[in-house]
Amino acid sequence: DAGVTQSPTHLIKTRGQQVTLRCSPKSGHDTVSWYQQALGQGPQFIFQYYEEEERQRGNFPDRFSGHQFPNYSSELNVNALLLGDSALYLCASSQTGFGEKLFFGSGTQLSVL
Amino acid sequence: AQTVTQSQPEMSVQEAETVTLSCTYDTSENNYYLFWYKQPPSRQMILVIRQEAYKQQNATENRFSVNFQKAAKSFSLKISDSQLGDTAMYFCAFMPWGGSEKLVFGKGTKLTVNP
Repeated sequence: DAGVTQSPTHLIKTRGQQVTLRCSPKSGHDTVSWYQQALGQGPQFIFQYYEEEERQRGNFPDRFSGHQFPNYSSELNVNALLLGDSALYLCASSQTGFGEKLFFGSGTQLSVL
Repeated sequence: AQTVTQSQPEMSVQEAETVTLSCTYDTSENNYYLFWYKQPPSRQMILVIRQEAYKQQNATENRFSVNFQKAAKSFSLKISDSQLGDTAMYFCAFMPWGGSEKLVFGKGTKLTVNP
C-alpha cells in the first residue's frame, strides 16, 4: 500500500503565476482534504473533496480551487500566487464515515519568489 | 469556532526521561475527537494517538499516553522513556464528531530529545 502520495515534493514559482499540486489517496479512501502549513504554524484546512465535489471549505480565497477525479485523486490549484502562499501543502485522505482515520502525505513545499 | 492552543513552543528532555506536552481547546461540541500528531523533518504528519471524547478512559499507545480532562478542555500528551527518534514537532488537533471531517490544529510544540 503506497499510502498518500503527493507531487511534486518541491516547487518554486514567481508572484502572479499559477500552480497545480497533485495528490493520490491511500487505497480504499474516497475523501481528500488539503491543508496549508505556513512556516512555524500548524496546518490550516483549505477544502475537502468527496464524490468529485467540494464538500466543505476553510477560510481561503477563491484563488484556491480544487478538483477530484473519478479515481479519487485530487488537484489543488492556486492562481495569482502571492508571496504569502509560500507554505507546505499537505494532502490527507480518509474513507467517508471514518474521517478520524486520516492519513497524510509528505506534502509539497511551495516557494513563491 | 473551535480553537486549539499549545502553550509550549519548545521543549527538551533527556533520553529515557518522561515529558508532557500541553494542549487546551475550546468548543461547544459535546462529541469530538482529539489527536496528537508528530511531524519529523520528513514533514509527513504521523498520528501518535487519538482520543474519542465520549470515552472516559485515557488513550495509550506504547510509550505515549494522554491525560484527557473533558470539563477542563485539556488534552496533554505524555511521552515515557523518550527516544532520540521522538525529536519532532508535535501538533494537537481537534475534529468534531460526524459530518465535518476537518482537523483544527494548534501551532505545535518543538520537542528535542537530548542524548
